[in-house]
Amino acid sequence: DIVLTQSPALAVSLGQRATISCKTNQNVDYYGNSYMHWYQQKPGQQPKLLIYLASNLASGIPARFSGRGSGTDFTLTIDPVEADDTATYYCQQSRNLWTFGGGTKLELK
Amino acid sequence: QVQLKESGPGLVQPSQTLSLTCTVSGFSLTSYHVHWVRQPPGKGLEWMGVMWSDGDTSYNSALKSRLSISRDTSKSQVFLKMSSLQTEDTATYYCARGSVVTSNWFAYWGQGTLVTVSS
Repeated sequence: DIVLTQSPALAVSLGQRATISCKTNQNVDYYGNSYMHWYQQKPGQQPKLLIYLASNLASGIPARFSGRGSGTDFTLTIDPVEADDTATYYCQQSRNLWTFGGGTKLELK
Repeated sequence: QVQLKESGPGLVQPSQTLSLTCTVSGFSLTSYHVHWVRQPPGKGLEWMGVMWSDGDTSYNSALKSRLSISRDTSKSQVFLKMSSLQTEDTATYYCARGSVVTSNWFAYWGQGTLVTVSS
């Protein structure tokens, strides 16, 4: 199984940059694509797709969100952070079935 | 538009079998895969399994021995059955679907249904 590791929490100030990392124990690249995706989840809500294939912005997601990475190391960046961005962020791989990271809770300083 | 809605008992006794239904609209189960994902209170997301559009299934290896996913295409429903429930199976259970072009990422989610395992 592919295991995804995220830091549990991150605190940033409004207007600053937030960088959330996700590391995998196996390469999730395949034929030029990185099968890594990112979701945002707010309390009491279902997850919402933000980024697919490591760096592609999902429909309706503001350009403040971006993703990058390949192989086993990936990051989600929010710049600048707004108050509404406080949530938990999950990475997910689909290279070999599907697994999620443990989530990173983004809080404001 | 695409919609998914989970339904089932809110409370299940330990050692019993959980049965959940995901009712979909706006698309055909023969064209799109439907996944089950769960989330214990205050914890992260766990992928459980998938009903492929061709009727085949794949499961999380950690749950495979207890889990069964099936469907009724005429009713646009996907079913989840999980046996030998324990308190740690208390969670919100979601069904989800991929995007128009692929099931690699989950573009559509149901609202989720909370299942509590308790006597």
